[in-house]
Amino acid sequence: NAGVTQTPKFQVLKTGQSMTLQCAQDMNHEYMSWYRQDPGMGLRLIHYSVGAGITDQGEVPNGYNVSRSTTEDFPLRLLSAAPSQTSVYFCASRALNEQFFGPGTRLTVL
Amino acid sequence: AQRVTQPEKLLSVFKGAPVELKCNYSYSGSPELFWYVQYSRQRLQLLLRHISRESIKGFTADLNKGETSFHLKKPFAQEEDSAMYYCALKQGSQGNLIFGKGTKLSVKP
Repeated sequence: NAGVTQTPKFQVLKTGQSMTLQCAQDMNHEYMSWYRQDPGMGLRLIHYSVGAGITDQGEVPNGYNVSRSTTEDFPLRLLSAAPSQTSVYFCASRALNEQFFGPGTRLTVL
Repeated sequence: AQRVTQPEKLLSVFKGAPVELKCNYSYSGSPELFWYVQYSRQRLQLLLRHISRESIKGFTADLNKGETSFHLKKPFAQEEDSAMYYCALKQGSQGNLIFGKGTKLSVKP
């Protein structure tokens, strides 16, 4: 099992550009989520999904969109990147009482 | 409001010394708490969950409902314990996790 995978590992964007962060899991977990990790702020929930076709907002959803067309994939879209979105992004999937995290995507917005 | 507080950004101890990473929570109901750890250049992983009452890598954590705390303890720190530690609270019907801001543990030789 690959677990939770994320691509790309690193990305640099210019303000206003759009991009999609990819996340996939091969553990057949229904629940998936996206977090951003900022120094001194911990991890904050952006969006989550409890199954294919179902998504909901977390604590900091503004500027991000998600969709869940399959159980395996949960992409995160930045429609118009802003410097405030410079962060490390983690995708996670959950089984019972444990969340499994991906390796992260380090995004810089200039 | 539901909240997780980790008062220390950085905790520095010498190898062999006891270590305690503090975590306090605010939650109306019966809390489910976790400790996650992130070693350098590795992904976040579960260390402990309070319902399991387990000891992992020598770490233990006891839920104290009176003090609303879930402190992480280890009697003798090792250099390989150096990492970022996050306390997390499960909330809501969907079980989303609220994370504290994290404590960086540095164990010096």
